[in-house]
Amino acid sequence: GIQVEQSPPDLILQEGANSTLRCNFSDSVNNLQWFHQNPWGQLINLFYIPSGTKQNGRLSATTVATERYSLLYISSSQTTDSGVYFCAVEGFAGANNLFFGTGTRLTVIP
Amino acid sequence: NAGVTQTPKFRVLKTGQSMTLLCAQDMNHEYMYWYRQDPGMGLRLIHYSVGEGTTAKGEVPDGYNVSRLKKQNFLLGLESAAPSQTSVYFCASSRRGEPPYEQYFGPGTRLTVT
Repeated sequence: GIQVEQSPPDLILQEGANSTLRCNFSDSVNNLQWFHQNPWGQLINLFYIPSGTKQNGRLSATTVATERYSLLYISSSQTTDSGVYFCAVEGFAGANNLFFGTGTRLTVIP
Repeated sequence: NAGVTQTPKFRVLKTGQSMTLLCAQDMNHEYMYWYRQDPGMGLRLIHYSVGEGTTAKGEVPDGYNVSRLKKQNFLLGLESAAPSQTSVYFCASSRRGEPPYEQYFGPGTRLTVT
């Protein structure tokens, strides 16, 4: 399967700070998704972004498919942003099954 | 529109017992998936289905069986539970054909095997 590496593994921010999370992947991808896993364990879809740039409020994401990486930007962080952020990718072969990274654990302190 | 739902939410089993996890989706998606998440890790694919009556193995299929008798339901079975199957189980679904191939996840089932 495709190897997915996320960095940093852990991140602690003061409320109001900005951050960038990175996802590197080992092969060409047909699908790339960013998820937020909240403290209750629920996986929330943030972005479907196999290429290009998208923005949703304080969050934005960019995927450079030719260089095999994606970035998730969080601006003006809030305590509710705390949790684990996962990047997951799907290759061109297979039935849309996603390969997950090990996540970035974000803690936002007031 | 409930999206993807899973039952039960929590379960405790003794080693050797069996159980079935139920996943239901109301988005008319063709593809459905079962993943497991172990502490400190991302999700790993157990089994998946590309349509009613079809199933296939994922990355970690041993000890599990699945069935997709109806398009909206995907069942995950453990015939003889082992402590190594203690995990959080997530079901997901996605459309097929034209993109986006975005997967939508259920709330998870926390299973403990003692």
